[in-house]
Formats: sequence, structure tokens, C-alpha cells
Amino acid sequence: GQNIDQPTEMTATEGAIVQINCTYQTSGFNGLFWYQQHAGEAPTFLSYNVLDGLEEKGRFSSFLSRSKGYSYLLLKELQMKDSASYLCAVLDSNYQLIWGAGTKLIIKP
Amino acid sequence: IAGITQAPTSQILAAGRRMTLRCTQDMRHNAMYWYRQDLGLGLRLIHYSNTAGTTGKGEVPDGYSVSRANTDDFPLTLASAVPSQTSVYFCASSDVGGSRPDTQYFGPGTRLTVL
Repeated sequence: GQNIDQPTEMTATEGAIVQINCTYQTSGFNGLFWYQQHAGEAPTFLSYNVLDGLEEKGRFSSFLSRSKGYSYLLLKELQMKDSASYLCAVLDSNYQLIWGAGTKLIIKP
Repeated sequence: IAGITQAPTSQILAAGRRMTLRCTQDMRHNAMYWYRQDLGLGLRLIHYSNTAGTTGKGEVPDGYSVSRANTDDFPLTLASAVPSQTSVYFCASSDVGGSRPDTQYFGPGTRLTVL
């Protein structure tokens, strides 16, 4: 079966750095997405990785290792507004998105 | 403002009733999707449509039907609602074949409670 694992919840301090991991086992791979979802709102696109390596976009970076079935989202200089759930999703061989359950990130002052 | 709209925002429904959730996008995306999101579970795909006139079943299609008469609209119908269909429903769209494949853009969601 297809499976995406990410921690259920993480806590970090304002101004710090946090890394949210995602491991996946899917039938084929056509890219990995990270989405942010604030409570009661819709998911919004953060990043897309299809090649190995690090993609940096402002305070957010996303890393992919296809051989290890592994990705992480790195958030720097955390702000209170970064409190949200972060969803990892993999595009499988049928070009369907397989979603993880999401990681709830709590930022403390 | 371009984007996806959903209606209603929330609804309380008696079991056995028929309900249609509406979804409209103005981005001219060819693909559209319906998901449900339940606490502790990832987004689960109900139905999708790769282009107007075609639809397909996702992971959890039972009890739901869709139609795609045109590019912009993708309604989801619950023929006879049951309490297990209590959930938050998200509609999404993507420009399949675009520069960033299958990046999905989501509507604001419909919170449905079936009693």
C-alpha cells in the first residue's frame, strides 16, 4: 500500500528553526509537495520538489532524497503566524496526490 | 479575484437527505477534485475530473457523485446523507500539464454535519 508518515505534532519557539520530516512509500514518484493549513482554513501551496536536493524560498526550505523516500520542510526565524498544520503529499505514478495526515506545529513565545 | 469558491460554508443535514455541495473556479484549470478531511486523517480524494465531461473515482467515492458539465463547475452530491459523511469538504483545481505539475489550489471548504 501507499503510505506517508509525518509526526503528528511538534512544538517550537518563536525565532527558532524547526524541521518537519516526511517519509513516503508510494507506487511511483512524480514529485513531493508541502502545503500549509491554518486551523479552519484551506491548504495553501508551499513547495514542490521533484529532484534531490534543497529548494529554498525565503524562510522556508524543502529537501528531498528520492533514494531514501524522505523529505523535510525547514522553517527558519519562526513567527507566531507559522502556527499551522503542514501537509506532505506525493504525486504517485498515476499522477494522484497521496496525502500525509499532517504535522501540527505549535509556536510558543 | 481569481480562485475557487465553495457553497455553502457550512450545513447541518438530517440523515437520508440529499445535498449538493457547489464548487466553482475561475482559473480555467482543467482538473478539479473533491476531498474530505477528517481529524487525524489526511485529505482523502472522493472524486476527480481531469477535464470537462470526464470524472473518476478517488479513494472514498461511495455515497457521492459528481458531474463536470463545464470547465468551471464541479458539484458534489450526497444522494442520501449518513452520519459518517460528517466532515470538512474541500474542492481543489489544478492546471494539469502546466509548468508546475498538479499543484492544487483549494477552495475555503464546506463544513458538513449529518445528524
